[in-house]
Amino acid sequence: GENVEQHPSTLSVQEGDSAVIKCTYSDSASNYFPWYKQELGKGPQLIIDIRSNVGEKKDQRIAVTLNKTAKHFSLHITETQPEDSAVYFCAAGSSGSARQLTFGSGTQLTVLP
Amino acid sequence: ETGVTQSPTHLIKTRGQQVTLRCSSQSGHNTVSWYQQALGQGPQFIFQYYREEENGRGNFPPRFSGLQFPNYSSELNVNALELDDSALYLCASSLFSGTSTDTQYFGPGTRLTVL
Repeated sequence: GENVEQHPSTLSVQEGDSAVIKCTYSDSASNYFPWYKQELGKGPQLIIDIRSNVGEKKDQRIAVTLNKTAKHFSLHITETQPEDSAVYFCAAGSSGSARQLTFGSGTQLTVLP
Repeated sequence: ETGVTQSPTHLIKTRGQQVTLRCSSQSGHNTVSWYQQALGQGPQFIFQYYREEENGRGNFPPRFSGLQFPNYSSELNVNALELDDSALYLCASSLFSGTSTDTQYFGPGTRLTVL
């Protein structure tokens, strides 16, 4: 089955700096890569996603890049703000029958004011 | 907010008991997936329901079962609870497209504690 590894597990940045979180996946059939933000006591919130026919996608301060050959994808947050502090999860999915998402282990991002 | 609701918010059970968790999907969605999230870990896929039938299952034993109703809401049932079943149970709703992986929107979860 699919295996998703996520790094780093914790990340501290100064307000205004950029943050980068990286994930690798193992199953070449995976073609959908969402990123979720989870705040304490809440469910995961979708912040951006990318499909395998696209190499990069941007939404305001958030961008995701995908390298299918190397089987890795990354989340980039620019001009970080204290409210960006949360746990971020990457995931991989496919359009096969199961359609399940396989999640990484999460990154605790702390933005220091 | 996604419009996916779950009940109850918190639940405490003892080992060996049975529990039922409920999920209402977002308007317009026809598929519900259930995930288990242990403390400090990423969500793990339990199973998915589409057209009231199980449409894929993760590595969970048969004592984890589910239902989907005609209004697309869903239930997760866990029998013979074990201490390791203590976790946040997440429901995600999506629209089955048939040709591409569906975007899944999560509810707030049900925190289950097994004593």
